[in-house]
Amino acid sequence: AQSVAQPEDQVNVAEGNPLTVKCTYSVSGNPYLFWYVQYPNRGLQFLLKYITGDNLVKGSYGFEAEFNKSQTSFHLKKPSALVSDSALYFCAVSPGSYNTDKLIFGTGTRLQVFP
Amino acid sequence: NAGVMQNPRHLVRRRGQEARLRCSPMKGHSHVYWYRQLPEEGLKFMVYLQKENIIDESGMPKERFSAEFPKEGPSILRIQQVVRGDSAAYFCASSPRLGLAGKVLHNEQFFGPGTRLTVL
Repeated sequence: AQSVAQPEDQVNVAEGNPLTVKCTYSVSGNPYLFWYVQYPNRGLQFLLKYITGDNLVKGSYGFEAEFNKSQTSFHLKKPSALVSDSALYFCAVSPGSYNTDKLIFGTGTRLQVFP
Repeated sequence: NAGVMQNPRHLVRRRGQEARLRCSPMKGHSHVYWYRQLPEEGLKFMVYLQKENIIDESGMPKERFSAEFPKEGPSILRIQQVVRGDSAAYFCASSPRLGLAGKVLHNEQFFGPGTRLTVL
C-alpha cells in the first residue's frame, strides 16, 4: 500500500539555525513527491515537488528537499529558519498511475521556530 | 488570477441534515480533488473529478457522500444525513493536469481555504 510517514509530530528550532523536517515514503513504481505548508485556518500551499531528474529540489521561501531513493526519503530542509516559517508541514506522494494523481499525505509535522 | 474558492468557509449542521460544499477551481483548471482533514490529522483523499466525470472515488465513504463537477458551475460535495463524525475541514484542490494525452503529468494541486463543517 502507498503510504507516507512523518516521524516527528513537532520540530523545534531556533531562528537562524538550519531545519530539517523528515519524510519517508512507501510506493510502488516511481514516486512523485510533494511538500505543502499549512498556516492556521488556511488551505495548503505548495512548496516543492520531485518528479524526476536532480535529486535536490529547490522550492518556495528558500526551502529545498532531497530525494533519496535508497532510503526512500524526501526530507525538507532550509539553511536558516525564520519565525515566519512556523506552520504545519505535510509531505505527500502521488502514485505512479496514469489514471489518478491523488495525493497521499503524511500526518504532518508542526514546525516551531523560536526567536 | 483568483485562487481556488470554497464556500461556505464555515458550515454548521444538525445531525440528519444535509451539507453542501462548493468548490470553484482556478481559472483554466478542469480537474478537482476533494480531501478531508480530521482534527490533528493529515488530509485524506476522497474523490477526483473532471468536468462531468468522476475519475477516482476510492476515498469516498460508500454511503451518504456524493460529488459532482458539472459542465457549468462549481464542484459540489454533498453529505446527506450528517453525523457528528462528519465534522472536519473539507478541502478542494484543482490542477490543470497538463500533459500528453492519457499520461499524467503530476502537476501540483492548488488548494482552497477549506470548509469547516461542524455537526451538532
